[in-house]
Amino acid sequence: AQSVTQPDIHITVSEGASLELRCNYSYGATPYLFWYVQSPGQGLQLLLKYFSGDTLVQGIKGFEAEFKRSQSSFNLRKPSVHWSDAAEYFCAVVVSYNTDKLIFGTGTRLQVFP
Amino acid sequence: DADVTQTPRNRITKTGKRIMLECSQTKGHDRMYWYRQDPGLGLRLIYYSFDVKDINKGEISDGYSVSRQAQAKFSLSLESAIPNQTALYFCATRGTGDYGYTFGSGTRLTVV
Repeated sequence: AQSVTQPDIHITVSEGASLELRCNYSYGATPYLFWYVQSPGQGLQLLLKYFSGDTLVQGIKGFEAEFKRSQSSFNLRKPSVHWSDAAEYFCAVVVSYNTDKLIFGTGTRLQVFP
Repeated sequence: DADVTQTPRNRITKTGKRIMLECSQTKGHDRMYWYRQDPGLGLRLIYYSFDVKDINKGEISDGYSVSRQAQAKFSLSLESAIPNQTALYFCATRGTGDYGYTFGSGTRLTVV
């Protein structure tokens, strides 16, 4: 079955440090890939998405993600984290246009220390 | 006003009660979805609808039902609430051909 794995449940970084959140998917073909952010008490906001083309995708709030087919990964990165980036981050995939199912990973909670 | 509005924001109900969660959108999108979020489990799809006459079960539809009253409205019902339905519920929309899902702010439901 198709699945999305976010191996890190909780990550803590210092403000100004770089960040990488990991995401791996299990699917034979190239899926549509997404990263969402959920701030406390809020809904989900789309950070970026990958459908095809350039494997390095730029998103909002200074985030980027790189699709690596050989590793079935779509890791999220930011060069310098701000305290306001503290939130929960979800990787998600759509594996079939026809069924239109958006499958989420279990999330990574990011804590930022000053 | 928000593009996707969920009501209520918070609700506490008793076991066995019927409850309806409502979702309305101003995006003009055809497709609407209900997800449930539980700690450590991410979001799981309950039901989705491609238009008013097209409703589909997701991966965890047991114990839930939905109604698509209009293109802009998609309601989720718990006919007889049970404590393990305590969760954060999200409604989402997307337009045909556009994979930019838009999520509401969520409804926190507690069943006691």
